[in-house]
Amino acid sequence: DAGVIQSPRHEVTEMGQEVTLRCKPISGHNSLFWYRQTMMRGLELLIYFNNNVPIDDSGMPEDRFSAKMPNASFSTLKIQPSEPRDSAVYFCASSSRETQYFGPGTRLLVL
Amino acid sequence: DAKTTQPPSMDCAEGRAANLPCNHSTISGNEYVYWYRQIHSQGPQYIIHGLKNNETNEMASLIITEDRKSSTLILPHATLRDTAVYYCIAKQRNTDKLIFGTGTRLQVFP
Repeated sequence: DAGVIQSPRHEVTEMGQEVTLRCKPISGHNSLFWYRQTMMRGLELLIYFNNNVPIDDSGMPEDRFSAKMPNASFSTLKIQPSEPRDSAVYFCASSSRETQYFGPGTRLLVL
Repeated sequence: DAKTTQPPSMDCAEGRAANLPCNHSTISGNEYVYWYRQIHSQGPQYIIHGLKNNETNEMASLIITEDRKSSTLILPHATLRDTAVYYCIAKQRNTDKLIFGTGTRLQVFP
C-alpha cells in the first residue's frame, strides 16, 4: 500500500486566493483526519470523518476553512480566502482499528 | 481527555536504551496510552499503545505503572534515525481523536 497520499506537497499562494488540499486515505480505512501544524500551536486536529461523514469539526478555525469527503477514497480541505496566518503544514491521516497513519503533509505558504 | 506531561528534551547515546517518561496522573479507566513520533519534516508515525499491561512490538516497549498514572516508552537500542519528537497521548476508547501535546525531543548522538 502506498500509504496516505497528499497533494500538493508544497503550495505557495498569495493572500486572498483559494487553496485546495487533497488527501487519499489508505484503502479500507474508515476514518480520515485533517491536522495543521505550526511552530506556535503545534499539531492541531481540524476535523475528522468517519465513513465519509464529518464527526467533529470543532478544530476548524473559522468559516474560511471547509472540508469534504465525497467518497471513501478522497477528501479535500479548502481555504477561501487564504491569509498569511494559514501558513502551516497540513497533515491528513486515516485510521482503521484505532491506529492513525499520517501522510507526508502539504507545506502551505501564504504570502 | 487526560493531560499528559513529558520532558521537553532528552539525549541518548547511540546503541543505548532510550527511556522516555510520560505522566498521565488523571487518566481514566477507558483511556489508552498512545505513543507517536515525528521525525523532522515527516508526518507523525505510530509506535505503540496500551491500556494497562506492558506492550512490546518491533519498534519499542511500553511500560505502564500499575496505577496507570505514568508510563515509559523504551527504545532498546537507539539509533541516529530515532532522533525525533515523541508524543505521549491519552486517548479515549470511544473516540478516534488524538490530542497532541508538545512531546519530548529525543536527540540520539554518536
